[in-house]
Amino acid sequence: NAGVTQTPKFQVLKTGQSMTLQCAQDMNHNSMYWYRQDPGMGLRLIYYSASEGTTDKGEVPNGYNVSRLNKREFSLRLESAAPSQTSVYFCASNVPSGGLHSSYEQYFGPGTRLTVT
Amino acid sequence: RKEVEQDPGPFNVPEGATVAFNCTYSNSASQSFFWYRQDCRKEPKLLMSVYSSGNEDGRFTAQLNRASQYISLLIRDSKLSDSATYLCVVITNTGGFKTIFGAGTRLFVKA
Repeated sequence: NAGVTQTPKFQVLKTGQSMTLQCAQDMNHNSMYWYRQDPGMGLRLIYYSASEGTTDKGEVPNGYNVSRLNKREFSLRLESAAPSQTSVYFCASNVPSGGLHSSYEQYFGPGTRLTVT
Repeated sequence: RKEVEQDPGPFNVPEGATVAFNCTYSNSASQSFFWYRQDCRKEPKLLMSVYSSGNEDGRFTAQLNRASQYISLLIRDSKLSDSATYLCVVITNTGGFKTIFGAGTRLFVKA
């Protein structure tokens, strides 16, 4: 199993350009997440998808859109990139449910390092 | 006030030292707690869950104090390979499950 994969690993954009970050998981997980990580800020949730066909805003959704293409894939789109979106982006997945601690564990992809100039 | 707060460090310790990290959380309704480890320029990975009764995994011991709303991680006999950032993670269920990550505490173990 590859786990959670993300593409690209690195990207440099100019202000105003658009791009889509791709994420896929092969663990048959229901839920998928997009985070950004900035120095001193920890991981902040951008959007999540509790199950195929649903998406919801997280803590910092402005400037982003998502698509849950199918159970495996969850993409993040920047329509008009801004320097404030320079960050490391992580995709994660899990099977959340009540009762079992292990069900809450999130599995992360390797991240995408995005720089917007 | 942040929902989950950690001392950012860095903690610089020699090999063999014992080091402790604390984490505080603000929502008393929080129900599940974890420590994740993140190596430099890598993704976070689950280190261990934290239970009220405390739990141990080799050189690592995690404790939860619900009354004071803090979580701790103790690393004994530190190894060079323990150098990483340790993230405190809290899950709340108030109108839906929410996972909150602390900003992390950086540890450097030196020979």
